[in-house]
Amino acid sequence: EAQVTQNPRYLITVTGKKLTVTCSQNMNHEYMSWYRQDPGLGLRQIYYSMNVEVTDKGDVPEGYKVSRKEKRNFPLILESPSPNQTSLYFCASSARLAGGPGELFFGEGSRLTVL
Amino acid sequence: QKEVEQNSGPLSVPEGAIASLNCTYSDRVSQSFFWYRQYSGKSPELIMSIYSNGDKEDGRFTAQLNKASQYVSLLIRDSQPSDSATYLCAVSKWDDKIIFGKGTRLHILP
Repeated sequence: EAQVTQNPRYLITVTGKKLTVTCSQNMNHEYMSWYRQDPGLGLRQIYYSMNVEVTDKGDVPEGYKVSRKEKRNFPLILESPSPNQTSLYFCASSARLAGGPGELFFGEGSRLTVL
Repeated sequence: QKEVEQNSGPLSVPEGAIASLNCTYSDRVSQSFFWYRQYSGKSPELIMSIYSNGDKEDGRFTAQLNKASQYVSLLIRDSQPSDSATYLCAVSKWDDKIIFGKGTRLHILP
């Protein structure tokens, strides 16, 4: 089954404790991206990657890191989480079309609470 | 000016009627346009994609694109209670960013 898998789905942590949210896709997609979704602010892009070893900042990259060492994996790293990073996080992937990324396939989301 | 704008709603439509959802975008060179549906507590799922001016129909859904006016719309015919959700407009930009609007909440009245 084609899917994007995120872990953990739910996490409560404390300020400053490094954490990693994993994302893996089995569709051989070139494009992968992380979004955060907050009430009233919608989905905002954190980072995206057009292929292995290629990553770019989205609109809200501060406080986050990513890496793309393998095509299927795109982990999101919070080196020193703060309460303002409490949010619902979505990983998504897409095939790369001639004009850019196509339809996004989303993971089920990871709800993160930073105390 | 926001990059992708949508009315937040809620938009209330009687069952069986046509729901019309609108979206405007600011980047003239955007090439790909998408409509996603998101149920509460779930992840977004694609409803329609559209890449060229005009209409694109898929079942009860029609997407319309007007690049000159920088306007995308989604029509839902014969609206059903299961269509009640938040609809997200998304635009793929020249730099491969995909920007979402804040979404329109649609409520179908039985």
